Amino acid sequence: DADVTQTPRNRITKTGKRIMLECSQTKGHDRMYWYRQDPGLGLRLIYYSFDVKDINKGEISDGYSVSRQAQAKFSLSLESAIPNQTALYFCATNTDSGTDTQYFGPGTRLTVL
Amino acid sequence: SQKIEQNSEALNIQEGKTATLTCNYTNYSPAYLQWYRQDPGRGPVFLLLIRENEKEKRKERLKVTFDTTLKQSLFHITASQPADSATYLCALSPGNTGKLIFGQGTTLQVKP
Repeated sequence: DADVTQTPRNRITKTGKRIMLECSQTKGHDRMYWYRQDPGLGLRLIYYSFDVKDINKGEISDGYSVSRQAQAKFSLSLESAIPNQTALYFCATNTDSGTDTQYFGPGTRLTVL
Repeated sequence: SQKIEQNSEALNIQEGKTATLTCNYTNYSPAYLQWYRQDPGRGPVFLLLIRENEKEKRKERLKVTFDTTLKQSLFHITASQPADSATYLCALSPGNTGKLIFGQGTTLQVKP
């Protein structure tokens, strides 16, 4: 089931490098989200987008930027990666704008050395 | 401040028993509360949703309760199986924000 795909699945990079994580969906949903997950901290919202022209910051957007290239594509960039951005990153789409139920991609494990 | 909290300690139970996981929240008035399952290295998967005006929801071996007075949701898995071992996340939607707020998750281990 590849309705939401993320690339790469794993990435190791060095401090100061620019990194882009990509998310594509075939579900036709307008709403897309980027989260990071750290042990003991749960999922935290980085950015979200309700359509191509509507992009919003989440609770932890500092150090990140996003681009919504099309309805189906939502990319997350780390302009200058730092070690505390080492985490598991998830893209999600909104299956129901009434209840905000979300459908998650498989995740990208990012390590910043 | 707003908080959503789940038991951080892992829950270990014997196969066949009922697992009960707790989700507490403060300073929110959620319109919906949702439960997700997450397996190691995978994305969360939606399980159940309960609305603020519902007390209980069931789906097969799963049951969710929602007490807006206590600001608490309980998630029950009856007749638990080793395959139920995973981390379970609760998430609430304040309504009309397009966002979910997630708890940190509780890991359930079901032993044969």
